[in-house]
Amino acid sequence: DAKTTQPNSMESNEEEPVHLPCNHSTISGTDYIHWYRQLPSQGPEYVIHGLTSNVNNRMASLAIAEDRKSSTLILHRATLRDAAVYYCILRDSNYGGSQGNLIFGKGTKLSVKP
Amino acid sequence: SQTIHQWPATLVQPVGSPLSLECTVEGTSNPNLYWYRQAAGRGLQLLFYSVGIGQISSEVPQNLSASRPQDRQFILSSKKLLLSDSGFYLCAWGNQGLVTGELFFGEGSRLTVL
Repeated sequence: DAKTTQPNSMESNEEEPVHLPCNHSTISGTDYIHWYRQLPSQGPEYVIHGLTSNVNNRMASLAIAEDRKSSTLILHRATLRDAAVYYCILRDSNYGGSQGNLIFGKGTKLSVKP
Repeated sequence: SQTIHQWPATLVQPVGSPLSLECTVEGTSNPNLYWYRQAAGRGLQLLFYSVGIGQISSEVPQNLSASRPQDRQFILSSKKLLLSDSGFYLCAWGNQGLVTGELFFGEGSRLTVL
């Protein structure tokens, strides 16, 4: 069963901010929200993760709703190199065995126009 | 620093032939190891994961098998390839003791079965 829901695709203009939404209404208290992205013909790359509070790193920001049922990945200034498939994934922090495995959905394909 | 390598990067195999993909990790010990597959135009599917030497868990029934003969070596095999085995195979590792749960992916091995 899919634990997260993302739009299939989004478009952005270069140099503009991008907000990638993710719904996870069945999230449990021990689930971390992870974001990965996959550039064409490459393996996925970790972007950011969070539990309850908003998070920032050099790549992006993660805004988590107060009820944790949704989150948004924010790219502050999109570049052409940000064109990729972005995956929102829930990962159980009590990961022993299969619960903590990263299960990828279909993700959102982000296109960036010059 | 930690590194992960997969080989071969590309291979073309006839139906019914055997397969062996290798993955090695350097710079860490006792990692969790994973094999994912991405069929053309589809998302990533978790095939196998391992939490230690000789410990393999299969996520989906299939024509493939995995082995972990050494702590940092993970091998994906098949005795007889099927057309449906074509895809992009990705090895990944994660640190068992790290609560962030970030996974690091290799460069991938693209398999075409004819």
